[in-house]
Amino acid sequence: DAGVTQSPTHLIKTRGQQVTLRCSPKSGHDTVSWYQQALGQGPQFIFQYYEEEERQRGNFPDRFSGHQFPNYSSELNVNALLLGDSALYLCASSKAGVSYNEQFFGPGTRLTVL
Amino acid sequence: AQSVTQLGSHVSVSEGALVLLRCNYSSSVPPYLFWYVQYPNQGLQLLLKYTSAATLVKGINGFEAEFKKSETSFHLTKPSAHMSDAAEYFCAVSYNTNAGKSTFGDGTTLTVKP
Repeated sequence: DAGVTQSPTHLIKTRGQQVTLRCSPKSGHDTVSWYQQALGQGPQFIFQYYEEEERQRGNFPDRFSGHQFPNYSSELNVNALLLGDSALYLCASSKAGVSYNEQFFGPGTRLTVL
Repeated sequence: AQSVTQLGSHVSVSEGALVLLRCNYSSSVPPYLFWYVQYPNQGLQLLLKYTSAATLVKGINGFEAEFKKSETSFHLTKPSAHMSDAAEYFCAVSYNTNAGKSTFGDGTTLTVKP
């Protein structure tokens, strides 16, 4: 079991550009959540996808969007990048319908915006 | 609204000493509480979770936490620190069984001295 995988590991972009991050959930999981972890802070919930739809969303602007594919993998897109978007982006997967379901986190994608 | 406060961004203990990492939460409804550990360049790993059953929760690697409603606390402890415990620890709260939308504290970095 490969666990949750994310790509790329690191990414450098300039202000105004667009970026796409990818996540493959743990085998058997159907729900994907995305978090932003700024330096020195805890992860902040961006949104969650289940059945290819955004189910819940945190306090992030519309520049942040996502997608979930039929194989449960997911993408996070960020448009019009700002310096403040520099962070570690974490993907977590879980199984819907399981109470108190544990999330499994990927290693993250480190995004640097110059 | 829910929030988490982790007291002490850095904690240093000697190997073999007691580990105590503090977490206080704010939640308008009965909370579900989690402790995660993050090693450098890795994702978060669940240590333990409180889901309204026993107030003393045992987790992996010898860690445990006690839910105290009167103090709105969920402190993490380990009787004897090991060098391998050096990492960053996050407390998180969720207001429902969907752990995917959790609110995290800012983390506590644990250093273990030989």
